[in-house]
Amino acid sequence: GAGVSQTPSNKVTEKGKYVELRCDPISGHTALYWYRQSLGQGPEFLIYFQGTGAADDSGLPNDRFFAVRPEGSVSTLKIQRTERGDSAVYLCASSLGQRNTGELFFGEGSRLTVL
Amino acid sequence: SQQGEEDPQALSIQEGENATMNCSYKTSINNLQWYRQNSGRGLVHLILIRSNEREKHSGRLRVTLDTSKKSSSLLITASRAADTASYFCATGGTGKLIFGQGTTLQVKP
Repeated sequence: GAGVSQTPSNKVTEKGKYVELRCDPISGHTALYWYRQSLGQGPEFLIYFQGTGAADDSGLPNDRFFAVRPEGSVSTLKIQRTERGDSAVYLCASSLGQRNTGELFFGEGSRLTVL
Repeated sequence: SQQGEEDPQALSIQEGENATMNCSYKTSINNLQWYRQNSGRGLVHLILIRSNEREKHSGRLRVTLDTSKKSSSLLITASRAADTASYFCATGGTGKLIFGQGTTLQVKP
């Protein structure tokens, strides 16, 4: 596609449920990033893929969070046993994956609300 | 955790005035980038300045970088109501970008 696509755009779930958020990056972009943004804050890094592998997952807050990118394109962020504190906008971005990180192209985000 | 800190947190100006936002960071960088985010939308890349550059221009945007002070500034000249948005600096190395907390700019018509 022309840009980074994220689905769903909005997700409301109950505490304790499992959630999957999907990101479809720009075709040909080898690097893919997940960020989380709370209201009034800057994006907080979660995980970064180079191809199929997670190059840096140091931002994942705990083991309830997991992300995959099995074919080096689409990625899924998975959150188990959701908590109210997980409520945020989850942003996905992709880039060409140069050695020195260049411009990131962001999707519109998935807004997660945990009741 | 956030790497950068933007200053001010919020800025309100009249259309036609200039807006200056500052960013400070903590670790060594390969480049520094500025992004804009309209309310409820994703981030849009504005400009990238490399660590060996001191100043860069793009249209009405001027970015400076002082690596000795670990700081950068973004100047928007002749502001327009459409410039109303949040602006974030982001520092890059060889992997992830780390974003600051952002400056919220309001341009009044």
